[in-house]
Amino acid sequence: RKEVEQDPGPFNVPEGATVAFNCTYSNSASQSFFWYRQDCRKEPKLLMSVYSSGNEDGRFTAQLNRASQYISLLIRDSKLSDSATYLCVVNGGYNFNKFYFGSGTKLNVKP
Amino acid sequence: DTAVSQTPKYLVTQMGNDKSIKCEQNLGHDTMYWYKQDSKKFLKIMFSYNNKELIINETVPNRFSPKSPDKAHLNLHINSLELGDSAVYFCASSQEDSSGGSSYNEQFFGPGTRLTVL
Repeated sequence: RKEVEQDPGPFNVPEGATVAFNCTYSNSASQSFFWYRQDCRKEPKLLMSVYSSGNEDGRFTAQLNRASQYISLLIRDSKLSDSATYLCVVNGGYNFNKFYFGSGTKLNVKP
Repeated sequence: DTAVSQTPKYLVTQMGNDKSIKCEQNLGHDTMYWYKQDSKKFLKIMFSYNNKELIINETVPNRFSPKSPDKAHLNLHINSLELGDSAVYFCASSQEDSSGGSSYNEQFFGPGTRLTVL
C-alpha cells in the first residue's frame, strides 16, 4: 500500500465552483500534513499546512481526520489560476524528517 | 535572489556517463533533500542531510552519491547513468523546528533538473 494516496483526477470545474480533494495516508504515527501546489514543469510550493483542528486560508480550507487517516482540501470560488496539481504530503511518523508525497490531483478550472 | 538553486536545469547525456547536479540554498536551513519525480509524477525522497550529515538514505542504487560540503550545499553525483534515471530531480531545504526535526516546517524546492538519459 502506498504511504499517501490521492485521486489523480483531473477535476474539470468551471470558474466559481467549489471543489474538494481527499488524500489518505497509511502511517497512523504521522504528525505533519501539508498541501503543496505544483504547476506544470515547476517545483512544488507549499499551499498550506494542515492542523488537527482544521484551518482556512482565504478560499482554501484544509481538514484532518486522524481516525480515518485522511486529509482534505476544499477550494471555494475557483479561479483560473487555481489550475495546477495539488500534492498531499505527510511525514513519516517517528521518522519525522521523511516526507511522503502523493502523486497529486490535477485541477483544471475552465472559464 | 533565488532561495534554492540547482544547476544545471536541463541535462541530456548518454547511458553510462557520470554526471553531477548541484544544489545551493541561501535560506540558512539545516536540512536539505533530494527528490526524484518520475514520469508518473510521483515525488519520491532519495536522501536527506541535516547539518552535512546523512539522515535519510532511501533504497537508491549506490550509483547515486550525495555530497554535502557544507550545510548550504547538497550535490548529487550519478555514476553509470541508465535510461531509468531519466526524471526530474528536485533539491529542497527546510529548517529544523525546536524539537530537532523538520517535520512541521515548509520545504522550499529548487526549480528542478530535468535529466534525460539517451
